[in-house]
Amino acid sequence: NAGVTQTPKFRVLKTGQSMTLLCAQDMNHEYMYWYRQDPGMGLRLIHYSVGEGTTAKGEVPDGYNVSRLKKQNFLLGLESAAPSQTSVYFCASSYEGSGTRYEQYFGPGTRLTVT
Amino acid sequence: AQSVAQPEDQVNVAEGNPLTVKCTYSVSGNPYLFWYVQYPNRGLQFLLKYITGDNLVKGSYGFEAEFNKSQTSFHLKKPSALVSDSALYFCAVRDRGAGSYQLTFGKGTKLSVIP
Repeated sequence: NAGVTQTPKFRVLKTGQSMTLLCAQDMNHEYMYWYRQDPGMGLRLIHYSVGEGTTAKGEVPDGYNVSRLKKQNFLLGLESAAPSQTSVYFCASSYEGSGTRYEQYFGPGTRLTVT
Repeated sequence: AQSVAQPEDQVNVAEGNPLTVKCTYSVSGNPYLFWYVQYPNRGLQFLLKYITGDNLVKGSYGFEAEFNKSQTSFHLKKPSALVSDSALYFCAVRDRGAGSYQLTFGKGTKLSVIP
Protein backbone atom coordinates (compact mmCIF):
# COMPACT_ATOMS: atom_id res chain seq x y z
CA ASN A 1 0.00 0.00 0.00
CA ALA A 2 1.24 3.48 -0.86
CA GLY A 3 -0.89 5.01 1.91
CA VAL A 4 -1.48 8.73 1.31
CA THR A 5 0.27 10.35 -1.64
CA GLN A 6 0.38 14.00 -2.69
CA THR A 7 1.12 15.65 -6.02
CA PRO A 8 3.16 17.78 -6.60
CA LYS A 9 5.90 17.78 -3.95
CA PHE A 10 6.99 21.35 -4.68
CA ARG A 11 5.49 24.27 -6.56
CA VAL A 12 6.25 27.94 -7.05
CA LEU A 13 3.38 30.21 -8.12
CA LYS A 14 3.11 33.88 -8.94
CA THR A 15 0.46 35.94 -7.18
CA GLY A 16 -2.87 35.49 -8.90
CA GLN A 17 -2.10 32.14 -10.50
CA SER A 18 -4.22 29.10 -9.79
CA MET A 19 -3.33 25.50 -9.06
CA THR A 20 -4.72 22.23 -7.76
CA LEU A 21 -3.10 19.92 -5.25
CA LEU A 22 -4.01 16.25 -5.52
CA CYS A 23 -4.27 13.84 -2.63
CA ALA A 24 -4.82 10.13 -3.13
CA GLN A 25 -5.24 7.31 -0.61
CA ASP A 26 -5.46 3.58 -1.16
CA MET A 27 -6.76 2.58 2.29
CA ASN A 28 -10.44 2.92 1.41
CA HIS A 29 -10.85 5.64 4.05
CA GLU A 30 -14.09 7.62 4.07
CA TYR A 31 -12.64 10.72 5.71
CA MET A 32 -10.02 13.01 4.18
CA TYR A 33 -8.50 16.30 5.32
CA TRP A 34 -6.35 19.17 4.08
CA TYR A 35 -4.06 21.00 6.51
CA ARG A 36 -1.52 23.76 6.19
CA GLN A 37 1.61 23.94 8.31
CA ASP A 38 3.29 27.25 9.04
CA PRO A 39 6.29 27.81 11.34
CA GLY A 40 5.20 28.16 14.96
CA MET A 41 1.54 27.55 14.07
CA GLY A 42 1.26 23.79 14.08
CA LEU A 43 -1.19 22.28 11.60
CA ARG A 44 -4.44 24.03 10.81
CA LEU A 45 -7.38 22.37 9.12
CA ILE A 46 -8.43 23.96 5.81
CA HIS A 47 -11.25 21.69 4.58
CA TYR A 48 -12.32 18.14 5.14
CA SER A 49 -14.59 15.50 3.64
CA VAL A 50 -16.58 12.76 5.34
CA GLY A 51 -17.35 10.91 2.14
CA GLU A 52 -17.46 11.01 -1.64
CA GLY A 53 -19.27 14.10 -2.85
CA THR A 54 -19.17 15.88 0.53
CA THR A 55 -16.92 18.66 1.79
CA ALA A 56 -16.87 20.96 4.80
CA LYS A 57 -14.92 23.98 6.01
CA GLY A 58 -12.23 23.74 8.62
CA GLU A 59 -10.46 26.41 10.62
CA VAL A 60 -8.85 28.37 7.74
CA PRO A 61 -10.92 27.81 4.55
CA ASP A 62 -10.70 31.25 2.94
CA GLY A 63 -8.98 31.30 -0.45
CA TYR A 64 -9.27 27.54 -0.96
CA ASN A 65 -11.79 25.21 -2.56
CA VAL A 66 -11.97 21.43 -2.47
CA SER A 67 -13.64 18.58 -4.28
CA ARG A 68 -14.13 14.89 -3.52
CA LEU A 69 -15.46 13.36 -6.73
CA LYS A 70 -13.94 9.95 -6.00
CA LYS A 71 -13.56 8.29 -2.63
CA GLN A 72 -9.83 7.89 -3.00
CA ASN A 73 -9.06 11.45 -4.13
CA PHE A 74 -9.33 14.83 -2.43
CA LEU A 75 -8.37 17.93 -4.40
CA LEU A 76 -7.39 21.30 -2.96
CA GLY A 77 -7.63 24.31 -5.26
CA LEU A 78 -6.24 27.80 -5.05
CA GLU A 79 -8.13 30.02 -7.49
CA SER A 80 -5.95 33.14 -7.10
CA ALA A 81 -2.82 32.48 -5.10
CA ALA A 82 -1.57 35.04 -2.56
CA PRO A 83 1.78 35.23 -0.75
CA SER A 84 -0.08 34.43 2.51
CA GLN A 85 -0.75 30.98 1.07
CA THR A 86 2.96 30.14 1.05
CA SER A 87 3.00 27.07 3.27
CA VAL A 88 3.44 23.33 3.46
CA TYR A 89 0.20 21.50 2.72
CA PHE A 90 -0.59 18.09 4.16
CA CYS A 91 -3.36 15.72 3.25
CA ALA A 92 -4.60 13.09 5.68
CA SER A 93 -7.20 10.35 5.78
CA SER A 94 -8.92 8.30 8.45
CA TYR A 95 -11.34 5.44 8.92
CA GLU A 96 -14.28 6.22 11.21
CA GLY A 97 -16.50 3.18 11.00
CA SER A 98 -16.82 0.08 13.15
CA GLY A 99 -13.43 -0.84 14.52
CA THR A 100 -12.07 2.63 13.90
CA ARG A 101 -8.59 3.35 15.12
CA TYR A 102 -9.25 7.11 15.24
CA GLU A 103 -5.84 8.27 14.10
CA GLN A 104 -5.24 10.11 10.85
CA TYR A 105 -2.67 9.04 8.26
CA PHE A 106 -0.66 11.78 6.60
CA GLY A 107 0.87 12.30 3.18
CA PRO A 108 4.43 13.60 2.65
CA GLY A 109 3.35 17.18 2.01
CA THR A 110 3.48 19.78 -0.77
CA ARG A 111 5.71 22.81 -0.33
CA LEU A 112 4.08 25.81 -2.03
CA THR A 113 5.72 29.18 -2.48
CA VAL A 114 3.75 32.15 -3.81
CA THR A 115 5.84 35.07 -5.01
CA ALA B 1 -13.87 24.90 20.99
CA GLN B 2 -10.94 22.60 21.53
CA SER B 3 -7.30 23.59 21.92
CA VAL B 4 -3.87 22.18 22.67
CA ALA B 5 -0.94 23.87 24.36
CA GLN B 6 2.65 22.70 24.07
CA PRO B 7 4.41 25.12 26.40
CA GLU B 8 7.94 24.41 25.20
CA ASP B 9 9.06 25.36 21.70
CA GLN B 10 12.23 23.32 22.17
CA VAL B 11 13.44 20.60 24.52
CA ASN B 12 17.09 19.60 24.73
CA VAL B 13 18.12 16.35 26.38
CA ALA B 14 21.33 14.35 26.52
CA GLU B 15 21.38 10.94 24.86
CA GLY B 16 20.50 8.23 27.37
CA ASN B 17 18.59 10.58 29.66
CA PRO B 18 14.82 10.44 30.10
CA LEU B 19 12.78 12.91 28.05
CA THR B 20 9.42 14.58 28.55
CA VAL B 21 7.49 16.68 26.05
CA LYS B 22 4.56 18.48 27.64
CA CYS B 23 1.00 18.82 26.36
CA THR B 24 -2.18 20.21 27.93
CA TYR B 25 -5.55 20.30 26.25
CA SER B 26 -9.01 21.81 26.43
CA VAL B 27 -12.20 20.23 25.08
CA SER B 28 -15.86 20.62 25.97
CA GLY B 29 -16.34 16.87 26.44
CA ASN B 30 -14.01 13.95 26.90
CA PRO B 31 -10.95 13.77 24.69
CA TYR B 32 -9.23 11.49 22.31
CA LEU B 33 -5.51 12.39 22.48
CA PHE B 34 -2.68 11.76 20.07
CA TRP B 35 1.04 12.28 19.61
CA TYR B 36 2.62 12.60 16.17
CA VAL B 37 6.26 13.00 15.16
CA GLN B 38 7.61 14.84 12.13
CA TYR B 39 11.11 14.33 10.79
CA PRO B 40 12.61 17.03 8.54
CA ASN B 41 10.86 17.36 5.18
CA ARG B 42 8.49 14.50 5.97
CA GLY B 43 4.82 14.11 6.83
CA LEU B 44 3.49 13.39 10.29
CA GLN B 45 3.82 9.88 11.70
CA PHE B 46 1.46 8.55 14.35
CA LEU B 47 3.17 7.67 17.65
CA LEU B 48 0.44 6.82 20.14
CA LYS B 49 -3.08 7.62 21.27
CA TYR B 50 -5.34 7.64 24.29
CA ILE B 51 -8.87 6.52 23.54
CA THR B 52 -10.10 4.84 26.70
CA GLY B 53 -8.92 2.53 29.48
CA ASP B 54 -5.46 2.60 31.03
CA ASN B 55 -4.19 6.13 31.49
CA LEU B 56 -0.66 5.07 30.53
CA VAL B 57 -0.40 4.33 26.83
CA LYS B 58 2.59 2.90 25.03
CA GLY B 59 3.44 3.62 21.43
CA SER B 60 6.07 3.32 18.76
CA TYR B 61 9.84 3.57 19.30
CA GLY B 62 9.61 3.18 23.10
CA PHE B 63 7.50 6.29 23.68
CA GLU B 64 4.69 6.43 26.20
CA ALA B 65 2.26 9.05 27.43
CA GLU B 66 0.09 9.44 30.49
CA PHE B 67 -3.44 10.81 30.35
CA ASN B 68 -4.20 12.93 33.41
CA LYS B 69 -7.81 14.08 33.38
CA SER B 70 -7.58 16.31 36.45
CA GLN B 71 -4.63 18.22 35.04
CA THR B 72 -5.90 17.97 31.43
CA SER B 73 -2.46 16.80 30.38
CA PHE B 74 -1.01 14.18 28.07
CA HIS B 75 2.77 14.40 28.39
CA LEU B 76 4.99 12.32 26.11
CA LYS B 77 7.84 10.42 27.76
CA LYS B 78 10.69 8.07 26.98
CA PRO B 79 13.02 6.52 29.56
CA SER B 80 16.21 6.81 27.50
CA ALA B 81 16.54 9.27 24.62
CA LEU B 82 18.27 8.44 21.34
CA VAL B 83 19.86 10.89 18.91
CA SER B 84 17.44 9.52 16.30
CA ASP B 85 14.52 10.79 18.42
CA SER B 86 15.43 14.35 17.41
CA ALA B 87 12.38 15.66 15.55
CA LEU B 88 9.30 17.86 15.83
CA TYR B 89 6.56 16.47 18.07
CA PHE B 90 2.89 17.41 17.90
CA CYS B 91 0.16 16.75 20.42
CA ALA B 92 -3.42 16.66 19.09
CA VAL B 93 -6.89 16.46 20.61
CA ARG B 94 -10.29 15.44 19.33
CA ASP B 95 -13.62 15.74 21.14
CA ARG B 96 -15.45 12.43 21.68
CA GLY B 97 -18.75 13.99 20.70
CA ALA B 98 -20.69 12.42 17.89
CA GLY B 99 -19.97 14.03 14.55
CA SER B 100 -16.73 15.52 15.77
CA TYR B 101 -13.90 14.46 13.48
CA GLN B 102 -11.55 17.36 13.63
CA LEU B 103 -8.10 17.09 15.15
CA THR B 104 -6.68 20.21 16.75
CA PHE B 105 -2.89 20.29 16.92
CA GLY B 106 -0.51 22.06 19.22
CA LYS B 107 2.19 24.27 17.75
CA GLY B 108 4.82 21.57 18.10
CA THR B 109 7.91 21.00 20.25
CA LYS B 110 11.32 20.53 18.69
CA LEU B 111 13.22 17.80 20.50
CA SER B 112 16.99 17.80 20.22
CA VAL B 113 18.88 14.85 21.66
CA ILE B 114 22.52 15.72 22.21
CA PRO B 115 25.12 12.96 21.78
